[in-house]
Amino acid sequence: DQQVKQNSPSLSVQEGRISILNCDYTNSMFDYFLWYKKYPAEGPTFLISISSIKDKNEDGRFTVFLNKSAKHLSLHIVPSQPGDSAVYFCAASVVGGRRALTFGSGTRLQVQP
Amino acid sequence: GAVVSQHPSWVICKSGTSVKIECRSLDFQATTMFWYRQFPKQSLMLMATSNEGSKATYEQGVEKDKFLINHASLTLSTLTVTSAHPEDSSFYICSAITTSGLTNEQFFGPGTRLTVL
Repeated sequence: DQQVKQNSPSLSVQEGRISILNCDYTNSMFDYFLWYKKYPAEGPTFLISISSIKDKNEDGRFTVFLNKSAKHLSLHIVPSQPGDSAVYFCAASVVGGRRALTFGSGTRLQVQP
Repeated sequence: GAVVSQHPSWVICKSGTSVKIECRSLDFQATTMFWYRQFPKQSLMLMATSNEGSKATYEQGVEKDKFLINHASLTLSTLTVTSAHPEDSSFYICSAITTSGLTNEQFFGPGTRLTVL
């Protein structure tokens, strides 16, 4: 049973445009969400996170939106750059618990020059 | 920033042998380290949670006698794949949380590619 889902395995956008990556979760106990960027044969690199008490968090070109009622979050990258091309993983955690992360299956983003 | 290293970065071994993978937090102390596994084109799956000085907690379906975890110090956790078989070939990644406990951010190692022939 996948508790964190990324239904789009891939996404292609033009350089300069907005990239929107989506993530859905089923476990209502999750209260902390993170986005990671990953290249093949490397560990994930933390991008941005959001607590369930917020509905938006922004850091430079990256913005994460959280819709708790829909159990949905999204990562917006504006403007997209070719260097953003990678696999993006959404992850969720329970702060009060062991803090282990439950990952989605990832979305491969390709930004075309 | 916080750095986590893994050694080796890749290893090829024969079926039936044991392989040890080290995970170190280089510039911080980690009370908790996590071990994940990623099969090709799949997500990272949590294998076990490792707490310094105590036994690891394994996720359902992960054999604790096959995947031995030792968290002997606040900067080192090891994963030993015993009697490895080809189906154990995977990308193993560790992560660590700082002792401050104020952040939920995990710092990931670069991963270890294990290939069992």
